[in-house]
Amino acid sequence: NAGVMQNPRHLVRRRGQEARLRCSPMKGHSHVYWYRQLPEEGLKFMVYLQKENIIDESGMPKERFSAEFPKEGPSILRIQQVVRGDSAAYFCASSPNLDSKETQYFGPGTRLLVL
Amino acid sequence: GQQLNQSPQSMFIQEGEDVSMNCTSSSIFNTWLWYKQEPGEGPVLLIALYKAGELTSNGRLTAQFGITRKDSFLNISASIPSDVGIYFCAGRKTSYDKVIFGPGTSLSVIP
Repeated sequence: NAGVMQNPRHLVRRRGQEARLRCSPMKGHSHVYWYRQLPEEGLKFMVYLQKENIIDESGMPKERFSAEFPKEGPSILRIQQVVRGDSAAYFCASSPNLDSKETQYFGPGTRLLVL
Repeated sequence: GQQLNQSPQSMFIQEGEDVSMNCTSSSIFNTWLWYKQEPGEGPVLLIALYKAGELTSNGRLTAQFGITRKDSFLNISASIPSDVGIYFCAGRKTSYDKVIFGPGTSLSVIP
């Protein structure tokens, strides 16, 4: 059973470009979470999605960031007009449902570097 | 907003020593989780706790859900070099709340 997949693992963008990060949850998981991790810091929640729905986006910056989890295909975290401060590791996690006993499993992350 | 505090922030120990770290919250949680993150990788779940007072082991790791429901503890016995990494605690108030992560405890093991 494959784990959570993220691609690309590393992404380099120039200021002003767009970054698209992809996350394929574990098989059978319909809940996806995105987190951002700055160097030497913990994980900061960004957004929680179910298929075709954004459940909680309280951690998403108000501008330039968006996320989706379509009926078919991976979840996408999109950052428009990237700035240097967007450089970070972005992790995706998935869980099967809302039961509190179902914990989140993380992917390997995408490391974004903005030049 | 909700915050978790972890202590110590970092630890340097000799191989073979036991390790203790803890996590505290100002809010009551119904789930406590402990993750380990190695350089360049995503966090890996070590132990999940669901009931106040619960004590759960995973090999040399033991974690406890504090009886006040505002804290949790992780112990590692007889540390080895591959225990090196950052240990994150995480908690959730209810099934419908997002998981909150602590800032992590960085563990270094000296052979």
